[in-house]
Amino acid sequence: AQSVTQLDSQVPVFEEAPVELRCNYSSSVSVYLFWYVQYPNQGLQLLLKYLSGSTLVKGINGFEAEFNKSQTSFHLRKPSVHISDTAEYFCAVSSQGGSEKLVFGKGTKLTVNP
Amino acid sequence: DAGVIQSPRHEVTEMGQEVTLRCKPISGHNSLFWYRQTMMRGLELLIYFNNNVPIDDSGMPEDRFSAKMPNASFSTLKIQPSEPRDSAVYFCASSLSSNSPLHFGNGTRLTVT
Repeated sequence: AQSVTQLDSQVPVFEEAPVELRCNYSSSVSVYLFWYVQYPNQGLQLLLKYLSGSTLVKGINGFEAEFNKSQTSFHLRKPSVHISDTAEYFCAVSSQGGSEKLVFGKGTKLTVNP
Repeated sequence: DAGVIQSPRHEVTEMGQEVTLRCKPISGHNSLFWYRQTMMRGLELLIYFNNNVPIDDSGMPEDRFSAKMPNASFSTLKIQPSEPRDSAVYFCASSLSSNSPLHFGNGTRLTVT
C-alpha cells in the first residue's frame, strides 16, 4: 500500500518569492507521482506528473517537481509565485501508473500575499 | 470540451432524507471516479467504474451509499438515508483510460442537518 505525507498544511509566502511544497511518499513498489492544484470552489487540476525518465518534471504555470527516490520525495517548486497561485496543492501516488488507487496527501494550502 | 459536469453544486438536506448526486463525465472517457473531500480525512476514493462497470467500491463507507453508471455519459451517487456526518464535498472525476490523469468536476457541497 502507498501513502503520501505533505509536511506543511499551510504555506504563506509573499508575491515573487520562491516556494517549495514538500511531499514524501511510502511504497514497497515503484511509484508514479502527481501534483494536483485546487482553486477555491473548484475540482482538482493536474499540475504535473512523474511516470519515468528525467527526475525533474516541469508542469503548468511555471511549477516543477523533482523525484528523489533515495529520499522518497517529490517536492513541488516555483521560483517566483503570483497572487493567482493561491490554492491548495495535493501530492498523489499510484503504483499502477494510472488513476486507479491514486492516493492523495492531505493537501498544502499556499497563500500568496502582496 | 465541457469538462466533467456535476449537479447540483450545493445540496442542503435534513437527516434521513435521500440524496442523489449526479455526474456527466467527459465524452469518450472510459473511467469514472467518485471522491469525498472533508477537512478531517482529505480526499477519499469511494468507488470507480471502468467502461460503466464498478471495479472497486471498497471506499464506500457503508450500505447507505450506492453508485450506478447506467451508461457511459451518466453516473449517480446516492445516500439513503443521509446523516450529518455525510456532509462533505463530493467530486466526480473521469479519465480517458487507466493510464491517463483525472479530470475533476467542480464538486457538490452536501450539507446534512
